[in-house]
Amino acid sequence: ILNVEQSPQSLHVQEGDSTNFTCSFPSSNFYALHWYRWETAKSPEALFVMTLNGDEKKKGRISATLNTKEGYSYLYIKGSQPEDSATYLCAFRDFGNEKLTFGTGTRLTIIP
Amino acid sequence: NAGVTQTPKFQVLKTGQSMTLQCAQDMNHEYMSWYRQDPGMGLRLIHYSVGAGITDQGEVPNGYNVSRSTTEDFPLRLLSAAPSQTSVYFCASRPGQANTGELFFGEGSRLTVL
Repeated sequence: ILNVEQSPQSLHVQEGDSTNFTCSFPSSNFYALHWYRWETAKSPEALFVMTLNGDEKKKGRISATLNTKEGYSYLYIKGSQPEDSATYLCAFRDFGNEKLTFGTGTRLTIIP
Repeated sequence: NAGVTQTPKFQVLKTGQSMTLQCAQDMNHEYMSWYRQDPGMGLRLIHYSVGAGITDQGEVPNGYNVSRSTTEDFPLRLLSAAPSQTSVYFCASRPGQANTGELFFGEGSRLTVL
């Protein structure tokens, strides 16, 4: 079983502040790293799929970086808004494997 | 554009009963999978399929059967439900083997086993 860890487990951030959280994964046999946003009572939706070491991806105020050599990815949210409140999941896929292994997520709450 | 459709959304079963959770996708995706979500455990893979006629076990397959007779459908069967199978179940699909693309999730099915 692959070990995909996310930290912190939960986070409360004041509206307007910026924040970031971490996903760590095995550094060998890397194929892809996914980030998903999961709002309460909805289903997860993809934010980013990252495949290359050093990748940086951005969607609006949310961005992510990838370091496959050391096995971590950061997700950044700039100028947090109440609508950013959600659980953020990362998922790892190793080479030759069809399966995605998910971390347990970081639950983000934005305080108005 | 329906995407991934799961039925039923809610179900209550008694221990020992059987049922099937249905999943259908209209995106011609080769890969389909079932996850269960439990508090503090994240999403855990039950079974997956890389194409019609091919299925394989995930992390927590015990107590569940699957089949993939068509590209569109991937039902999950509980043959004899147990309280430990109380969970929220998500079906997810993506394009085929060489594709690194994202998973598309259904809306989830909340199952309670009494």
